[in-house]
Amino acid sequence: GQNIDQPTEMTATEGAIVQINCTYQTSGFNGLFWYQQHAGEAPTFLSYNVLDGLEEKGRFSSFLSRSKGYSYLLLKELQMKDSASYLCAVPSEGFQKLVFGTGTRLLVSP
Amino acid sequence: DTAVSQTPKYLVTQMGNDKSIKCEQNLGHDTMYWYKQDSKKFLKIMFSYNNKELIINETVPNRFSPKSPDKAHLNLHINSLELGDSAVYFCASSPSGIGGETQYFGPGTRLLVL
Repeated sequence: GQNIDQPTEMTATEGAIVQINCTYQTSGFNGLFWYQQHAGEAPTFLSYNVLDGLEEKGRFSSFLSRSKGYSYLLLKELQMKDSASYLCAVPSEGFQKLVFGTGTRLLVSP
Repeated sequence: DTAVSQTPKYLVTQMGNDKSIKCEQNLGHDTMYWYKQDSKKFLKIMFSYNNKELIINETVPNRFSPKSPDKAHLNLHINSLELGDSAVYFCASSPSGIGGETQYFGPGTRLLVL
């Protein structure tokens, strides 16, 4: 089965950099997703990593280490609109069942 | 154009009632899902269908019955609603359901059982 762990809550200030960590245990690895979910809205796709290393996409980057079962989402130049929950998820083997972590609620203050 | 749509957006009902939530996707995807997000914001898979065929049933009580009339629609019927069913229910879809595909979520249905 899959098991995912991420911090419950983080705070940061506008303009800063924040790193949200995710550790996972999975019986078979099919990549790792990060989703963003604003309060009262649907989760939206941010990134998908299947190979080790850092993938950059504008202000957001995602890192994966398969040997350590570890990923992080790096948010640079934080803006107020980045206040949201960030969900780490791993798909199961075979037909895709996305198993989500409990999410990290990020609060960006002025 | 809305990619994944759900109705209703809000649903308030009494314990013991039966209710349905509808989901439609216009992305041409083969696979659709139902997730439940509880008050602690934990998002958990309930069901998935691939081309109208049930693929995943995550030990959900049989009061919950999904129905997929065609691959663009996946509805969720809930019998004898209980207080613990109060949650946000998200529908999602992905192209084929295999491998590392992105899932696209609907706006959610906020169910409150009184």
